Amino acid sequence: QSALTQPASVSGSPGQSVTISCTGTSSDVGIYNYVSWYQQHPGKAPKLMIYEVSNRPSGVSNHFSGSKSGNTASLTISGLQAEDEADYYCSSFTSTSTVLFGGGTKLTVL
Amino acid sequence: QVQLQESGPGLVKPSETLSLTCAVSGYSISSGYYWGWIRQPPGKGLEWIGSIYHSGTIYYNPSLKSRVTISIDTSKNQFSLKLSSVTAADTAVFYCARGSHLELLHYWGQGTLVTVSS
Repeated sequence: QSALTQPASVSGSPGQSVTISCTGTSSDVGIYNYVSWYQQHPGKAPKLMIYEVSNRPSGVSNHFSGSKSGNTASLTISGLQAEDEADYYCSSFTSTSTVLFGGGTKLTVL
Repeated sequence: QVQLQESGPGLVKPSETLSLTCAVSGYSISSGYYWGWIRQPPGKGLEWIGSIYHSGTIYYNPSLKSRVTISIDTSKNQFSLKLSSVTAADTAVFYCARGSHLELLHYWGQGTLVTVSS
């Protein structure tokens, strides 16, 4: 099993939008809508931001949104804020009932 | 409010078995959900180790399956991880988490660093 593919880093200025991609295969991202996104600040535990491709847990800002096309899921952060600077990870359920994480993307707010 | 707390030795010798426990408060572990273990080597990404459903069904990362045992103790409201034959490559922060599905982890412990070194 290979990790899901994410860009190592993305950046944007405050107020702008950025999109982080998460590419898998037809055995994971492409076959199920079981894709989650996590935000992790340094030294902290990951925090669930999006689940089942596009759903936001209670308390998560609506400037976070998720989508999926084929084998690629995406996390879009609109109206970038300084506090959005963090590492972001996608995860997917797989056809063998396991979980794959992406390699992580470092978001820098310029 | 559900809370999870990892505990166990912070230092393990190579070739020995790493043992961690996740104590759950605010929710009865036997009532539902998936209970999982995830690790993160220093400066690296997240890796799913495995999960156990409240009924006892267990799911393991195939790359670790031969060395991992996850169990649940409903009487103590906790679940555990054992990772055998550890090497320096197993040095990581280990997190426990609760999820509605295997990849959907809503609640996380704060994490505990385990270093493998002689």
